[in-house]
Amino acid sequence: KQEVTQIPAALSVPEGENLVLNCSFTDSAIYNLQWFRQDPGKGLTSLLLIQSSQREQTSGRLNASLDKSSGRSTLYIAASQPGDSATYLCAVAIVYGGATNKLIFGTGTLLAVQP
Amino acid sequence: GEEVAQTPKHLVRGEGQKAKLYCAPIKGHSYVFWYQQVLKNEFKFLISFQNENVFDETGMPKERFSAKCLPNSPCSLEIQATKLEDSAVYFCASSRDRLNTEAFFGQGTRLTVV
Repeated sequence: KQEVTQIPAALSVPEGENLVLNCSFTDSAIYNLQWFRQDPGKGLTSLLLIQSSQREQTSGRLNASLDKSSGRSTLYIAASQPGDSATYLCAVAIVYGGATNKLIFGTGTLLAVQP
Repeated sequence: GEEVAQTPKHLVRGEGQKAKLYCAPIKGHSYVFWYQQVLKNEFKFLISFQNENVFDETGMPKERFSAKCLPNSPCSLEIQATKLEDSAVYFCASSRDRLNTEAFFGQGTRLTVV
């Protein structure tokens, strides 16, 4: 059974700092891994999608890496801003029985960037 | 549309009443799925559709939950005889197809059962 864990559970940093969020998963048989942010009371905003054959993806100040064999992904946020404050979730797309594709979500990291 | 649209945003039901939630996936997306977020970051998979066909319903509490995705209509998730523990935010998401494509989530429907 796939389990996805995120460390740390919460993080508070001063504005301008670079930071790394971690995601680990127990079963390396994944199709892709997606990073989302969730603002309080809001839906999920997709940040980056990394296919299983890829090692990293970049979008602006965000860089996500994937090491499938070790079951790890990191989300690197450069020059953090107060607007980055949110909960960050990683989710892996799994297949079993050759038939399904569902997302298994991590436990989330609550990020607070202090001005 | 360019985004997943969920209605209503909030829904309050008395215990035992019916609740119906709607989701319009992004145009051109053939794969739709529903998640239930009960605790802050705990997402429980409910059901997925490939076009109008149920693809995976392993997460559905079948006694009271049902869902449909009919052609030319929003998808729906219906809960008969709601219970207090059904209080949650229900998210719908869509993707272009079911493999290796980005999932886009709606804003969610917050269901409160009182």
